[in-house]
Amino acid sequence: ETGVTQTPRHLVMGMTNKKSLKCEQHLGHNAMYWYKQSAKKPLELMFVYNFKEQTENNSVPSRFSPECPNSSHLFLHLHTLQPEDSALYLCASSPRIYFQETQYFGPGTRLLVL
Amino acid sequence: AQTVTQSQPEMSVQEAETVTLSCTYDTSESDYYLFWYKQPPSRQMILVIRQEAYKQQNATENRFSVNFQKAAKSFSLKISDSQLGDAAMYFCAYKASGTYKYIFGTGTRLKVLA
Repeated sequence: ETGVTQTPRHLVMGMTNKKSLKCEQHLGHNAMYWYKQSAKKPLELMFVYNFKEQTENNSVPSRFSPECPNSSHLFLHLHTLQPEDSALYLCASSPRIYFQETQYFGPGTRLLVL
Repeated sequence: AQTVTQSQPEMSVQEAETVTLSCTYDTSESDYYLFWYKQPPSRQMILVIRQEAYKQQNATENRFSVNFQKAAKSFSLKISDSQLGDAAMYFCAYKASGTYKYIFGTGTRLKVLA
């Protein structure tokens, strides 16, 4: 379970705060993903990076800002969030994006917006 | 648009018994991949089993097997000899060949009774 790590594991923030989520993968993968997981809803793909280049921005509000400085690290910068943004945020990686490889997930960051 | 439906929000099984989790999907593609992921409480989501649509033979991984019915667009997961460690949320996922987007279902919570 150490292939993909995420920090922090839990985060409570006010609507005016600015915080960042960090994801790191130690698998040598070239693709990284951010998902939002809310109760009783399917995983919602937010962003996809392939070789550090953003491939997908799934109509995510601008209060979520991703950053991928290299293929091993992925950040999600948060600012002026809303209570409905409270969820589990999952990071995942895969060797490539267009093939059938398995995605490897991190443990997630449980975010609560007050 | 592709969709994945898991109609059983929660299932229970007695330890050592067999349980089947249902998944149906909708797609017009002929080449795609199907996955079952397991998410234990507060732990990382991991791949349980996957199936390539072009393969007629059902995939098996130890106690886990699938019943893939391509014409019916059905992809159920059978867990034999259920163990307490099998208790988790199970997610069915679909990915069309040549795309990077995984489509997830809403999940089925499996409880294993001692």
